[in-house]
Amino acid sequence: GAVVSQHPSWVICKSGTSVKIECRSLDFQATTMFWYRQFPKQSLMLMATSNEGSKATYEQGVEKDKFLINHASLTLSTLTVTSAHPEDSSFYICSARDRGGNFGSGTRLTVV
Amino acid sequence: GQQLNQSPQSMFIQEGEDVSMNCTSSSIFNTWLWYKQDPGEGPVLLIALYKAGELTSNGRLTAQFGITRKDSFLNISASIPSDVGIYFCAGPYNFGNEKLTFGTGTRLTIIP
Repeated sequence: GAVVSQHPSWVICKSGTSVKIECRSLDFQATTMFWYRQFPKQSLMLMATSNEGSKATYEQGVEKDKFLINHASLTLSTLTVTSAHPEDSSFYICSARDRGGNFGSGTRLTVV
Repeated sequence: GQQLNQSPQSMFIQEGEDVSMNCTSSSIFNTWLWYKQDPGEGPVLLIALYKAGELTSNGRLTAQFGITRKDSFLNISASIPSDVGIYFCAGPYNFGNEKLTFGTGTRLTIIP
């Protein structure tokens, strides 16, 4: 149980375009989901907390207008990277806490 | 947020050897989580610790919640090839908070 599904697993996009990443809790409801970013050979850094039915809360230094989060249902949160640039290339991972922290399989974003 | 420092940063061992790694914090944690991350994947929860002094096992893995609540240890006995990966400790930002801060990671490599 407590499976978190993330899609797509990888995406390549052109600089200036937007990319949407989906995070779903498959067998439980998640009023709160979390989005992390991981640069190569580094640890996971929390970007924002996605709250069902309300605005996301962002960590210091994360641009809310660039990383749009929508949590329209109890099983789905989306992260949209707007006007992507090469420096946004990273591994994005979502999490939904059932108990102990369940993570999606991640999305490798490459901006060219 | 709190900083979690993991030691060692990397380990090169032979199959069958035991492994020990630790995680230290500058502040008190009330929960310690240990994750393993394979390349290109999200982290997978190995062990969760909720009480100071707690010692918990999961197969060949054993983790302990330090008495001071500022550290935790993870041991792997009789390592096998599938143990290769990066091990992260993590803890909540604040008491009762579901947001996690991750350690710097320990990369485990098994030498053939």
